[in-house]
Amino acid sequence: DTGVSQNPRHKITKRGQNVTFRCDPISEHNRLYWYRQTLGQGPEFLTYFQNEAQLEKSRLLSDRFSAERPKGSFSTLEIQRTEQGDSAMYLCASSLGAGGRDQETQYFGPGTRLLVL
Amino acid sequence: AQTVTQSQPEMSVQEAETVTLSCTYDTSESDYYLFWYKQPPSRQMILVIRQEAYKQQNATENRFSVNFQKAAKSFSLKISDSQLGDAAMYFCAYSGEYGNKLVFGAGTILRVKS
Repeated sequence: DTGVSQNPRHKITKRGQNVTFRCDPISEHNRLYWYRQTLGQGPEFLTYFQNEAQLEKSRLLSDRFSAERPKGSFSTLEIQRTEQGDSAMYLCASSLGAGGRDQETQYFGPGTRLLVL
Repeated sequence: AQTVTQSQPEMSVQEAETVTLSCTYDTSESDYYLFWYKQPPSRQMILVIRQEAYKQQNATENRFSVNFQKAAKSFSLKISDSQLGDAAMYFCAYSGEYGNKLVFGAGTILRVKS
């Protein structure tokens, strides 16, 4: 079990550019979550997948954001036409999601820190 | 909508002493999960302890224990025998019955003095 991994760990981009982040969940975890964390604040939910289905999207996820999990394994989060306000840590988490009360602990990756200049 | 409130932006504790971090939440659901996560500086978030709302017994994990008061919607974390490695940001988080998104508080910075 290698834990949740995220790439890249750091990304610096210029305003208006597109960026894509990748998350690899713990193997056999059915659920995958994306959160955004700004400095000194708690993470805020963006979206989550049950296998390949995207089941919920936060209103924080504007039209410039899109997330996919095409084969129910890794996921990508793309931000188009980045803005300075997008600068944040983007966290990915996964959970077993197999049903049952003990299946819902979320395990977090190290995050991708985005800086938009 | 569910909310989580951590009223202590920062706490300090002497090494080997005990400290309690506060958390309150608001929900209309009867079944849910509560968590404490630890985020050391520049390191990833890790689970400290979890509590299922249907369980009356307070969760305990080694030096970490919670005081879960369902009627008061209160969920505090007690750290006993504090160690330097406990220094971190601590987040209280709520998850609904079906274990979907986590709702986090703003966090409490814990400083441990030697």
